[in-house]
Amino acid sequence: DTAVSQTPKYLVTQMGNDKSIKCEQNLGHDTMYWYKQDSKKFLKIMFSYNNKELIINETVPNRFSPKSPDKAHLNLHINSLELGDSAVYFCASSQPSDSEQYFGPGTRLTVT
Amino acid sequence: RKEVEQDPGPFNVPEGATVAFNCTYSNSASQSFFWYRQDCRKEPKLLMSVYSSGNEDGRFTAQLNRASQYISLLIRDSKLSDSATYLCVVNTGNQFYFGTGTSLTVIP
Repeated sequence: DTAVSQTPKYLVTQMGNDKSIKCEQNLGHDTMYWYKQDSKKFLKIMFSYNNKELIINETVPNRFSPKSPDKAHLNLHINSLELGDSAVYFCASSQPSDSEQYFGPGTRLTVT
Repeated sequence: RKEVEQDPGPFNVPEGATVAFNCTYSNSASQSFFWYRQDCRKEPKLLMSVYSSGNEDGRFTAQLNRASQYISLLIRDSKLSDSATYLCVVNTGNQFYFGTGTSLTVIP
């Protein structure tokens, strides 16, 4: 069974579109995260949720909006996609918030 | 200044070699420390946690020096399968910070 799953795995879309990436974890963790890994391979946190509540919101454009319907899911919605949004987006979870993180397989977003 | 800094490499070493990576962190209040491994086009996975007393897992040894604020990873008897990017990770108590990773290629 996959511990942290993301869909879709690949996403190719045009500038200006709106898209969503879904994440689910079946580990029973309370904390979930979204990371962005750019072309230089730098992994940067975007958001962190603990029990459905936002606890970290790094400086990302407000075109990015996370949604946590329950503690097992953390979805990422992106409005008005730009070329610079092209990257790999990883979802992760942990329990407690300072222990090992389990990552999903990543979503490779390409904006054309 | 970045929270976590690593030499990006690449490190190209022959099989059987010993290789060491270092990482420095800027926040002296950092609480927990890890090394993650990331294979090409895959997600990062925990390699080992790093404790103040140092810890060893087979061919891998991790050390933490709080006074100098650096973390090290030593890989002995390198295998081809060790080729990957190694990420240094620091938790300040409420947030994880990842280094940019050090690329290792083990050559036959």
